[in-house]
Amino acid sequence: DGGITQSPKYLFRKEGQNVTLSCEQNLNHDAMYWYRQDPGQGLRLIYYSQIVNDFQKGDIAEGYSVSREKKESFPLTVTSAQKNPTALYLCASSKGIHMNTEAFFGQGTRLTVV
Amino acid sequence: GQQLNQSPQSMFIQEGEDVSMNCTSSSIFNTWLWYKQDPGEGPVLLIALYKAGELTSNGRLTAQFGITRKDSFLNISASIPSDVGIYFCAGQSGNTPLVFGKGTRLSVIA
Repeated sequence: DGGITQSPKYLFRKEGQNVTLSCEQNLNHDAMYWYRQDPGQGLRLIYYSQIVNDFQKGDIAEGYSVSREKKESFPLTVTSAQKNPTALYLCASSKGIHMNTEAFFGQGTRLTVV
Repeated sequence: GQQLNQSPQSMFIQEGEDVSMNCTSSSIFNTWLWYKQDPGEGPVLLIALYKAGELTSNGRLTAQFGITRKDSFLNISASIPSDVGIYFCAGQSGNTPLVFGKGTRLSVIA
């Protein structure tokens, strides 16, 4: 089935550790996104990528890093510089950024700092 | 960045009632999308709107793209228990990616 796969679904991190969240899509979409969801805050954009080997900062990029080495994959690293990382992280993809912008989401990764 | 004001923040309704929620912005958008998020899941696209004044239905759901291009609303008719969840509006314009509202949490009382 076509879709977006995020793994793991639940992730626990010790303070001071970096962790990487996986996102894979088989929809042949050019654009991919990472959003952070906190209760009552809606979805806030962390990073997005319009094409392989290119990505742009979103509204809350500090403490995060990404790579886009393959069209299908857009992993997100939560670094130790992110002071409050506990949240639900949602990956999405769409055909484009400016047109065909309907985004499809994965199931999310819930990250908890312990 | 651009911001969307989504209201109401939460709603408690009786099964069978109609529901209305809306999004407004100070900016003009070219696209309005409406999503639903079930607990523990990612948002799922319900309706996409691309033209000012456009009115689109998907079963019991109806959404409209405001004439001013600065607002959109979503109506749900004859609500049922499985309508429970968080509904998000999203807008896109220019060279920027989608921006989301903060969501409307819907609870249905049987």
